Amino acid sequence: GAVVSQHPSWVICKSGTSVKIECRSLDFQATTMFWYRQFPKQSLMLMATSNEGSKATYEQGVEKDKFLINHASLTLSTLTVTSAHPEDSSFYICSARGLSALETQYFGPGTRLLVL
Amino acid sequence: GQNIDQPTEMTATEGAIVQINCTYQTSGFNGLFWYQQHAGEAPTFLSYNVLDGLEEKGRFSSFLSRSKGYSYLLLKELQMKDSASYLCAFMDSNYQLIWGAGTKLIIKP
Repeated sequence: GAVVSQHPSWVICKSGTSVKIECRSLDFQATTMFWYRQFPKQSLMLMATSNEGSKATYEQGVEKDKFLINHASLTLSTLTVTSAHPEDSSFYICSARGLSALETQYFGPGTRLLVL
Repeated sequence: GQNIDQPTEMTATEGAIVQINCTYQTSGFNGLFWYQQHAGEAPTFLSYNVLDGLEEKGRFSSFLSRSKGYSYLLLKELQMKDSASYLCAFMDSNYQLIWGAGTKLIIKP
């Protein structure tokens, strides 16, 4: 149980384009989903927290107009990187948590984004 | 304030035992998590402690002392595949996970 998928696993795109990453909880309902970014050899950095049906809460320094998050259902959240630039190249990882806030976060396999 | 600290890197020998420590400070606490992250992959859940004491899961055990703000992950009978980063994180009073920077564990034959 507690499987989270992410799609796509790899994205290469040109500077200025937008990229959408999907995060799905496959066998449980995720009230809350989290989006992280991780640069090589660095720690996980929380970008935003999204609750189903409401606006995402962004961490300080993360531009909400650049990283659009939609959590339309209890099994799907999407992150859209708008007008991507080379400095947005990173490993984006989502995690999902069940109905209780005390539940464990389970991570998706991550999406590698390379912006040329 | 809140903070969490763990060693940056540790080295151990295949077949041996290693203990990875994690210390934290917070006013609100809802448990401590350990995750394993292999290079280039996402973290996978290892353990959760909310009460003091030792939780054993096969070769891995996790310990918590809330009064000391201290946890450790104990790995026994180390295998080469255990080479990874180990992340500790506590859940604060807002149910947010506060992450350590991770401990890179290097296993030598």
